[in-house]
Amino acid sequence: ETGVTQTPRHLVMGMTNKKSLKCEQHLGHNAMYWYKQSAKKPLELMFVYSLEERVENNSVPSRFSPECPNSSHLFLHLHTLQPEDSALYLCASSQAQGTNTGELFFGEGSRLTVL
Amino acid sequence: RKEVEQDPGPFNVPEGATVAFNCTYSNSASQSFFWYRQDCRKEPKLLMSVYSSGNEDGRFTAQLHRASQYSSLLIRDSKLSDSATYLCVVKDYGKLTFGQGTILTVHP
Repeated sequence: ETGVTQTPRHLVMGMTNKKSLKCEQHLGHNAMYWYKQSAKKPLELMFVYSLEERVENNSVPSRFSPECPNSSHLFLHLHTLQPEDSALYLCASSQAQGTNTGELFFGEGSRLTVL
Repeated sequence: RKEVEQDPGPFNVPEGATVAFNCTYSNSASQSFFWYRQDCRKEPKLLMSVYSSGNEDGRFTAQLHRASQYSSLLIRDSKLSDSATYLCVVKDYGKLTFGQGTILTVHP
């Protein structure tokens, strides 16, 4: 099993659809993250879960709704998205959010296209 | 001013060249610094941490210049496989902030 797996790898959806992105980590980490990567922009942190509790929500529109049922799984529920939401959505995990380590382990990402 | 700023490039260099990237950061109290590498259509991966005393790993050297608030990454004897985007990352109180990334293309 690879460290962090994301499904689906590619998703095309209309603005009225509801879909979900899934992330699973097999590394025994206790912090998980959602990042958005758009062309020619830095990675934008969206949500952080530490010990299954949401600890950061960076003013993300409510059309994005995260869910962390346990320390190994993270979801991003999508509804009524806009074309500007088209991007690569990266999930990551780390050992613990507050430590000095800067190592995040990323999944390969879910490339989302909103029509 | 952006929190973490990088020259997006692209840097096009021949094999064997030495190339250096800089990354400036705005928060003088930033605690930790890292360089990540992202291959085309792949996820970012940690390349190396940046220590105050500098850090060398084979052909790669990372340095921190706190007084001037920038970090540098030096790649010696470039290989074709070094072609990637190099992301500067700054950590403040548990929060990681990524730079836009610098694109490097190494050609034969």
